[in-house]
Amino acid sequence: QVQLVQSGAEVKKPGASVKVSCKASGYTFTGYFIHWVRQAPGQGLEWMGWINPNSGVTDYAQSFQGRVTMTRDTSISTVYMELTRLQYVDTAVYYCAKCPPGVGAGELTNWGQGTLVTVSS
Amino acid sequence: SYVLTQPPSVSVAPGKTARITCGGDNLGSKSVHWYQRQPGQAPVLVIFYDNDRPSGIPLRFSGSNSGNTATLTISRVEAEDEADYYCQVWDRTTDHPHVVFGGGTKLTVL
Repeated sequence: QVQLVQSGAEVKKPGASVKVSCKASGYTFTGYFIHWVRQAPGQGLEWMGWINPNSGVTDYAQSFQGRVTMTRDTSISTVYMELTRLQYVDTAVYYCAKCPPGVGAGELTNWGQGTLVTVSS
Repeated sequence: SYVLTQPPSVSVAPGKTARITCGGDNLGSKSVHWYQRQPGQAPVLVIFYDNDRPSGIPLRFSGSNSGNTATLTISRVEAEDEADYYCQVWDRTTDHPHVVFGGGTKLTVL
């Protein structure tokens, strides 16, 4: 069955960076996009961007441009999301989610379990 | 950018029907997807492309989309349906398509 398994919780200081991994199994890794979505405490879902694991092409939400980088390692079916210059407002649960390939359409069919990133001094 | 509006909360008694709305400009021209997020768990897709159900989602869940409003309908509501629900579309009005979520609706089963 499809599984997306994310790395464990992180605690970071303001100004630091965090890199979250998402390991996929149960389907053809290069056949589907991976999106990243976060949810801050008491807030709704916020879309961050996507990566095409086949080509490595990415697209990021405007609010994260310049601070987020999504990469992949096809040899281990894993995608990564790195967020730099962390601020307190970046404290959130970060999710990866699988989506049919293509830009401008498609649903997030399967989600990782989430990774809590806490920004604290 | 495109905005999706959901009521913050909806309450319903067990066995009754819950309707959760999602509003947006000419929303009927877009495809709407719905997610359920139970406390402490990752979101789960419950409706895609307006009214399709993924395998494993009960028949009690259905969707519609017309005009400026999409609706998630949950029939014969059960206690386990208590969760936050989010609608989602793609905003393709610019040359930079992106995903948009509604603000979410907390469904309370009385």
